[in-house]
Amino acid sequence: TQLLEQSPQFLSIQEGENLTVYCNSSSVFSSLQWYRQEPGEGPVLLVTVVTGGEVKKLKRLTFQFGDARKDSSLHITAAQPGDTGLYLCAGASSGTYKYIFGTGTRLKVLA
Amino acid sequence: NAGVTQTPKFQVLKTGQSMTLQCAQDMNHEYMSWYRQDPGMGLRLIHYSVGAGITDQGEVPNGYNVSRSTTEDFPLRLLSAAPSQTSVYFCASSYSRASGLSYEQYFGPGTRLTVT
Repeated sequence: TQLLEQSPQFLSIQEGENLTVYCNSSSVFSSLQWYRQEPGEGPVLLVTVVTGGEVKKLKRLTFQFGDARKDSSLHITAAQPGDTGLYLCAGASSGTYKYIFGTGTRLKVLA
Repeated sequence: NAGVTQTPKFQVLKTGQSMTLQCAQDMNHEYMSWYRQDPGMGLRLIHYSVGAGITDQGEVPNGYNVSRSTTEDFPLRLLSAAPSQTSVYFCASSYSRASGLSYEQYFGPGTRLTVT
C-alpha cells in the first residue's frame, strides 16, 4: 500500500515567518500535486510537479520534487494570514489514475 | 460553468439506511472520483471512473457502489449505512492524462454525512 506522510501535522507561526512542509513516501510517483483546503470547502490545486528535482514557484510558495520522485516539499516565504489552511500533497503512480493523498498539514498564520 | 456540484450538503442517516450522494460536472472531464475525508487521515479514494461506463475501486470501496452512465454524472450509493461511514465526501473530476491536457482535479464542496 502506498503511503504519503506529511510533516508537521500542525504548524502555528507568526506573520512574516518562513516555513517548510514535507511530503514523504517510500514509493515512486510519476507526478505529485499540492492542494490547499479551506474549512467547509474542497481542496484547490496549487501545483503539479512531474520531473525529479523539479522546482516550481507560485508567488511566495516554492515547491520541490525530490530527485528520486519519492518526496516533495513546500516552502512558504514571509507567511501571511491568508496562507492559513490545510495543505495536502497527492501522488499518482505511472499508468494509474489513482491519487494517494497525504495526511495533511494544518497551517495557522497569526497576524 | 458551475464546475463540480454535489448534493446534498448535509445528511443524517440511521444505521442500515441507504442513500445516494449526487455529483455532477459540466467541464466534459473524463475522469471522476469519490473521496472520503476523515480527521487525521487526509482524503482516501473510494471509487473512480475514467469515462462513461467504466468504473474501478479505490482504497476503501467496501460499502459503496458507483455507476457512470453519462460523462457528467457520477453518483455514489451507500448500500446499508454504518457509523464508520460518517465522514465528509468529496467528488472530483479532471481531464484524463491521455488527453494531453492538464489533469488538475477539481473538487466539489463536499457532503457531510453522519450515520447514527
